[in-house]
Amino acid sequence: AQSVTQLGSHVSVSEGALVLLRCNYSSSVPPYLFWYVQYPNQGLQLLLKYTTGATLVKGINGFEAEFKKSETSFHLTKPSAHMSDAAEYFCAVSPGLYSGGYNKLIFGAGTRLAVHP
Amino acid sequence: EAGVAQSPRYKIIEKRQSVAFWCNPISGHATLYWYQQILGQGPKLLIQFQNNGVVDDSQLPKDRFSAERLKGVDSTLKIQPAKLEDSAVYLCASSLGGPPETQYFGPGTRLLVL
Repeated sequence: AQSVTQLGSHVSVSEGALVLLRCNYSSSVPPYLFWYVQYPNQGLQLLLKYTTGATLVKGINGFEAEFKKSETSFHLTKPSAHMSDAAEYFCAVSPGLYSGGYNKLIFGAGTRLAVHP
Repeated sequence: EAGVAQSPRYKIIEKRQSVAFWCNPISGHATLYWYQQILGQGPKLLIQFQNNGVVDDSQLPKDRFSAERLKGVDSTLKIQPAKLEDSAVYLCASSLGGPPETQYFGPGTRLLVL
């Protein structure tokens, strides 16, 4: 069974500082991996996803994530935080091609990012 | 392109009452999902439709929750009777198909059960 662990329910950074949000997953098959962002009173929006191929994935708003199979990690980074990045971020895993599973997303508990001046 | 629409946005009910939520997915999306997001947690899949059919309802509390997808388009999720622990945001999402298609989420319905 798949599961997702996000280390740190709250992360606070200064504007212009590096953003690092951690995600580790558990999966018995090669997974698909996703990062979603949720702004207050809104639904989730896809930031980026990993399916196959290049392990460094670039997404919207300057975010990127690297799939590291040996570490079962998919950490999200952004070189320079902006005030508008303040939101909740969710890492999610889905069964990959070999599992025969449907596109079921299993989410982590989320990390709330605060950006201060 | 219009996004996923949900209504109502907010609902307050007493326990043991019934409530229904409506979702209109993005046009042409065959797959529709209902998630429950309890405060402080990530969304949890309740039910997944592929066109008219249910492909996964393993985490749907079937004694009180029901869902249908009419003509493979709109969907309704019902709770009857509601319990205090049903207080949550109910998110609807849709996608073109199976993995690794992106799921597009609606704004959600925030339910408070008193």
